[in-house]
Amino acid sequence: GAGVSQTPSNKVTEKGKYVELRCDPISGHTALYWYRQSLGQGPEFLIYFQGTGAADDSGLPNDRFFAVRPEGSVSTLKIQRTERGDSAVYLCASSPELQGYPSGANVLTFGAGSRLTVL
Amino acid sequence: RKEVEQDPGPFNVPEGATVAFNCTYSNSASQSFFWYRQDCRKEPKLLMSVYSSGNEDGRFTAQLNRASQYISLLIRDSKLSDSATYLCVVNFNFNKFYFGSGTKLNVKP
Repeated sequence: GAGVSQTPSNKVTEKGKYVELRCDPISGHTALYWYRQSLGQGPEFLIYFQGTGAADDSGLPNDRFFAVRPEGSVSTLKIQRTERGDSAVYLCASSPELQGYPSGANVLTFGAGSRLTVL
Repeated sequence: RKEVEQDPGPFNVPEGATVAFNCTYSNSASQSFFWYRQDCRKEPKLLMSVYSSGNEDGRFTAQLNRASQYISLLIRDSKLSDSATYLCVVNFNFNKFYFGSGTKLNVKP
């Protein structure tokens, strides 16, 4: 697609429920990132995919959070047993991760985000 | 200590003013640097990459000081439409992008 697409744009759920958030990156972008942004804060890194594999999941806050990218394109962020503290905007970004280019060329392009509210 | 630190502001300036933001980063191995702009309830969008020699894009000038580990953004002739939050972003180890908390700019008529 022309840009990064995220669904749903808004999700309201109850504490303890399971949630899935979907990201469709820019076509051909091999790198995919999930970030979480709380009010008044910058985006906080969660996980990074290179192709199908999670190359760095050091930002996932606990084992209730999991993400997959089975075919190296669309990714799903899964949150189990949601808590009120999980309420935030979940941002997905993709990057071409061009090898051999100046590092300033490897920029992140974000989707519009999924706003999660846990009641 | 946070990887990237910014003054949250807000910076309240009149139209036509020149305003500058700084950002400091903690990892001396950082490789690339960016400024992103974020409007209220929108996603961050790339404003400009920051190169070692400094670079300019219209009214915007970015500078990098590796020795002191800071990045700056200068906006000349501020417009009402420049009102937004400006996020400093630092990249190291190729795949790690760290964001500051952002500096809020309000340009007043």
